[in-house]
Amino acid sequence: KQEVTQIPAALSVPEGENLVLNCSFTDSAIYNLQWFRQDPGKGLTSLLLIQSSQREQTSGRLNASLDKSSGRSTLYIAASQPGDSATYLCAVRRMDSSYKLIFGSGTRLLVRP
Amino acid sequence: NAGVTQTPKFRILKIGQSMTLQCTQDMNHNYMYWYRQDPGMGLKLIYYSVGAGITDKGEVPNGYNVSRSTTEDFPLRLELAAPSQTSVYFCASSSDRGLSGNTIYFGEGSWLTVV
Repeated sequence: KQEVTQIPAALSVPEGENLVLNCSFTDSAIYNLQWFRQDPGKGLTSLLLIQSSQREQTSGRLNASLDKSSGRSTLYIAASQPGDSATYLCAVRRMDSSYKLIFGSGTRLLVRP
Repeated sequence: NAGVTQTPKFRILKIGQSMTLQCTQDMNHNYMYWYRQDPGMGLKLIYYSVGAGITDKGEVPNGYNVSRSTTEDFPLRLELAAPSQTSVYFCASSSDRGLSGNTIYFGEGSWLTVV
């Protein structure tokens, strides 16, 4: 059974710091991995999607990496800003049932001014 | 751009009542999903649909029903509400299975409390 874990559950950093969010998954048989952002009272917004054949994806100050063999992904946020405060969730798309995304429980990030 | 629209935003139900959460999307997506998110947890798939007239169970379907009569609409019905169904419900849609990199779009959520 695929399980997705995100550590830490919460993180507080001062503005300007570079930070890394971690995501691990138990089954390496995945199609892709996706990082989402969730603001309070809102839905999820897709940030980055990494296909299983890729090692990383970048968008602006965000960089996501994928090491499928070790079951790990990281989301790197450069020069963090208060506007980055949100919950970040990762999700893997299972190879045996391609409709289904398996979500982690998220990391709640607070960037202090 | 409307995207995925859910109604209602908030609802309080009494135990045993029934209700329908509405979801509509204007992106002509074939694939639609209902998820629930409990506090501090990730999203769990309730039901999904790959096109009009086709629905299937996800991880946690008990206590729910869905229908897909049109491409745009995917309502979720709660029958005989129970306190365990207190959660935040998200509807989502995508143009395909998500294998090619096309993203999934989420609605803003429906907060449901069963008392």
